[in-house]
Amino acid sequence: EPEVTQTPSHQVTQMGQEVILRCVPISNHLYFYWYRQILGQKVEFLVSFYNNEISEKSEIFDDQFSVERPDGSNFTLKIRSTKLEDSAMYFCASVRDTNTEAFFGQGTRLTVV
Amino acid sequence: RKEVEQDPGPFNVPEGATVAFNCTYSNSASQSFFWYRQDCRKEPKLLMSVYSSGNEDGRFTAQLNRASQYISLLIRDSKLSDSATYLCVVRGQGAQKLVFGQGTRLTINP
Repeated sequence: EPEVTQTPSHQVTQMGQEVILRCVPISNHLYFYWYRQILGQKVEFLVSFYNNEISEKSEIFDDQFSVERPDGSNFTLKIRSTKLEDSAMYFCASVRDTNTEAFFGQGTRLTVV
Repeated sequence: RKEVEQDPGPFNVPEGATVAFNCTYSNSASQSFFWYRQDCRKEPKLLMSVYSSGNEDGRFTAQLNRASQYISLLIRDSKLSDSATYLCVVRGQGAQKLVFGQGTRLTINP
């Protein structure tokens, strides 16, 4: 069964450092998303991406965040200068077409120290 | 008012019991509705989509009431493996973002 894959599974970084979280969506999917989940809290939307551009972003997705799909395969989330409060699980998701369900990757646990 | 609201629980029920979860959503323009389950520190996984006519998948039954903006999930004959957090998820038109409720934690006891 096709799946969304994310790397790394766990990343520890020092405050102020840049991190890049990587995702390989399901190959025939067209819409891509990043969500995050702080421990014990709900899953929160960060950004959606379609046709090589951001289609929607939340207020969480400020100037320190960026996304790109450089090679038509990987979908990356970059956090430029990490803060302690960026510590969370980051989930990538992809959707084949409108009104179908989203499939999630297994997540990257980011710990900022 | 929260966009998607669920009873956070936790629910602790014996194996074999029937358990029901409720969810309300605030955006009347929402078009797609789902129940996902999430195991501890894992990704959300689709349990079932929810249709206006209601739908059933084995022991699971989902209902949608658009007028009341209310979604429900019923689990019959609960198994130990049903222990998880159940997430009510709503989406606007097309491939817009998913909006998650805070989840209802369920523990099935032997």
